[in-house]
Amino acid sequence: AQSVAQPEDQVNVAEGNPLTVKCTYSVSGNPYLFWYVQYPNRGLQFLLKYITGDNLVKGSYGFEAEFNKSQTSFHLKKPSALVSDSALYFCAFRYSSASKIIFGSGTRLSIRP
Amino acid sequence: DTGVSQDPRHKITKRGQNVTFRCDPISEHNRLYWYRQTLGQGPEFLTYFQNEAQLEKSRLLSDRFSAERPKGSFSTLEIQRTEQGDSAMYLCASSLIGGSGNEQFFGPGTRLTVL
Repeated sequence: AQSVAQPEDQVNVAEGNPLTVKCTYSVSGNPYLFWYVQYPNRGLQFLLKYITGDNLVKGSYGFEAEFNKSQTSFHLKKPSALVSDSALYFCAFRYSSASKIIFGSGTRLSIRP
Repeated sequence: DTGVSQDPRHKITKRGQNVTFRCDPISEHNRLYWYRQTLGQGPEFLTYFQNEAQLEKSRLLSDRFSAERPKGSFSTLEIQRTEQGDSAMYLCASSLIGGSGNEQFFGPGTRLTVL
């Protein structure tokens, strides 16, 4: 089945340190890849997406993601974590011709002061 | 607030009761989606509309679930004869074909608890 996997349920990082949230995909063709963030009691917020072109995609709140076709990965990164980045992060994909988004299981990011 | 809104935000019901949720998409968005998110999982697609036409339904959408978008604006999701397994967050999203890269904008969700 076509899917994305987030191998870490939780990631803990100290404020100011770089962070990485991992995502690998098992999808045929050329899907659109996404990262979404979910804060408590709020809806999902779009962070960034990869369609084609430059493998490094920049998004909201200083986040970026690197598309690596050989490793089938799309890891989310930020050079310097903030406590306010603590939230639930979802990797996801959809096909350009389809509308539904397929989400990973999520990674809880916790930034300690 | 011009984002996607959902009502109610929380619903507690007893098993066997019917519930209905409402979603108001971003104005002029022609696509509307419903997803379900259970604890510890990512959202799962349920169904989507383009204007008033329901174009795709997931196998997750059992016979007890029905969704409508009668005038191509707001949508309702009804669950009949609720079961404890229906307890989840129900998310609505909307998008504009050809606009903002077809990105889906999500509402805050309706949390359903079935006792």
